Amino acid sequence: GAGVSQSPSNKVTEKGKDVELRCDPISGHTALYWYRQRLGQGLEFLIYFQGNSAPDKSGLPSDRFSAERTGESVSTLTIQRTQQEDSAVYLCASSIGQGGSHEQYFGPGTRLTVT
Amino acid sequence: QQQVKQSPQSLIVQKGGISIINCAYENTAFDYFPWYQQFPGKGPALLIAIRPDVSEKKEGRFTISFNKSAKQFSLHIMDSQPGDSATYFCAASRGGYSTLTFGKGTMLLVSP
Repeated sequence: GAGVSQSPSNKVTEKGKDVELRCDPISGHTALYWYRQRLGQGLEFLIYFQGNSAPDKSGLPSDRFSAERTGESVSTLTIQRTQQEDSAVYLCASSIGQGGSHEQYFGPGTRLTVT
Repeated sequence: QQQVKQSPQSLIVQKGGISIINCAYENTAFDYFPWYQQFPGKGPALLIAIRPDVSEKKEGRFTISFNKSAKQFSLHIMDSQPGDSATYFCAASRGGYSTLTFGKGTMLLVSP
């Protein structure tokens, strides 16, 4: 079946512009996660959605970052007034959710470059 | 505060050798410890995972060793192959809360 998909695969933007990154999770997965991966670094948790519960936003680095999820499907990560330090690969993952396997399935990521 | 420390940062192993990557954690509430493999341009993929009720888990050439008292776990890749060349991440999560805390990764190169 289809895995997690993300779009765009690459995004180059000018400093100060807003960007939207999209994630389509695996159908039936109630949990969705966003992570940031800076060059040569591990994955840094950003935000977690579980079903209709309030999202865990504890990993968002600043109020310029926000994310939404429509029901148990598509999610959008928005970065406002982008800065050069926002340059990274943004990874989305989904899992079955509470009571199920912890296994997270990752998408290929969106590489964001802020010039 | 880095909750999961991973070493080494990079590793070169000859084909057929054993690759060993180590991780240490601080939060005793962690109860799920996966290893992910990532190839360039791809998202990480789950390789193998362990819970603290066992000390070792083996799947094919990949083995996780877990030491609860030392708060350490390691990945062993037996008979390493050039196709194993990738970045490996250890991670940990708490029961009922599945957000993963990742180590910084180990870049493995298996020379032919």
